[in-house]
Amino acid sequence: KQEVTQIPAALSVPEGENLVLNCSFTDSAIYNLQWFRQDPGKGLTSLLLIQSSQREQTSGRLNASLDKSSGRSTLYIAASQPGDSATYLCAFNNAGNMLTFGGGTRLMVKP
Amino acid sequence: KAGVTQTPRYLIKTRGQQVTLSCSPISGHRSVSWYQQTPGQGLQFLFEYFSETQRNKGNFPGRFSGRQFSNSRSEMNVSTLELGDSALYLCASSLGGFAQPQHFGDGTRLSIL
Repeated sequence: KQEVTQIPAALSVPEGENLVLNCSFTDSAIYNLQWFRQDPGKGLTSLLLIQSSQREQTSGRLNASLDKSSGRSTLYIAASQPGDSATYLCAFNNAGNMLTFGGGTRLMVKP
Repeated sequence: KAGVTQTPRYLIKTRGQQVTLSCSPISGHRSVSWYQQTPGQGLQFLFEYFSETQRNKGNFPGRFSGRQFSNSRSEMNVSTLELGDSALYLCASSLGGFAQPQHFGDGTRLSIL
């Protein structure tokens, strides 16, 4: 059974910092992973998707990497802004369209 | 292009009642999945429907059921509600092929009194 862990659970940084969110998983037989953000009381917004055959994906200030051999994915946020404050979730697809989620990292970016 | 639409946004029910939640996927998407989000258990997969058939099922009791209509809209039903069913229920849609990106709605917040 796939288990997904996100560290840290919460993070507070000053505006402008570059930061890394970590996600580890136990089953390397994955098809893809997605990083999402969730604002309070809202649904999930998809940020990046990395297919199993890829190593990384980039979108604007976001870069996500995938290392199946070590069971890790990281989400790098450059030049953080207060608008980046949200909960960030990683999710693995290793059984059709069924996603297994980590517990999330709650990010606060202070002005 | 409209996103995933879930109705209602909020619901309050009492124990023992039943409830039906609705999800309209993105136009052209044929797969609809449902998830339960609680503070204690996080996000957990309930089931997935594709072409009106349940394709995957998570580890939830039979009180949780769903269906999908020919226009890909989906409903989720929970019978004999328990206090522990209080949660945010999220619906996600995708094109329907294998391992497709999932697009989520804003969810239905269900509170059980």
